Amino acid sequence: GQQLNQSPQSMFIQEGEDVSMNCTSSSIFNTWLWYKQEPGEGPVLLIALYKAGELTSNGRLTAQFGITRKDSFLNISASIPSDVGIYFCAGGSNYKLTFGKGTLLTVNP
Amino acid sequence: DGGITQSPKYLFRKEGQNVTLSCEQNLNHDAMYWYRQDPGQGLRLIYYSQIVNDFQKGDIAEGYSVSREKKESFPLTVTSAQKNPTAFYLCASSLSGTDQETQYFGPGTRLLVL
Repeated sequence: GQQLNQSPQSMFIQEGEDVSMNCTSSSIFNTWLWYKQEPGEGPVLLIALYKAGELTSNGRLTAQFGITRKDSFLNISASIPSDVGIYFCAGGSNYKLTFGKGTLLTVNP
Repeated sequence: DGGITQSPKYLFRKEGQNVTLSCEQNLNHDAMYWYRQDPGQGLRLIYYSQIVNDFQKGDIAEGYSVSREKKESFPLTVTSAQKNPTAFYLCASSLSGTDQETQYFGPGTRLLVL
């Protein structure tokens, strides 16, 4: 089946730093999504990407749909303590999603 | 407020018991999904439904059953055949067609075995 490699697995940063995480796959996807999940809660959709090369921002978050359709990255600028959580990427094809294993982000105030 | 609700938040199952997890949405979405999340793992698809009275197995359907009698509701039953049911269960929904891959999640139900 399709697999996504998400990296890094975890990050520990200082408040105010920028963060970058990415997902890669050997498969092509039609859609790339980025979610954030806090402990005991469901994932919240942050950014959805629908076209190869697309670059989309949502506040301090920026994500790009890779030109090969096999990868995507998420950047968070000027991190704040409430950015703490697990960030998941998901690639969509044939009306189904394949998920990465997540990046655990810890922000030190 | 439009959204997805799941109940209960926590559920305890005894050996040999079937339990049913509720998922309701008022987003007027056609498609609904059930995922299982285990620690350190990505979400895995259990069942999905693209339209009322129709559903398909996902990657890990064994030991689970679903129904889709109403557009708003997609309950999941964890049967006694599921030998390792302890997990966090997430329901999601989406529009149909080309928007089907943009899925929105409920708050989840944590199932624990006594």
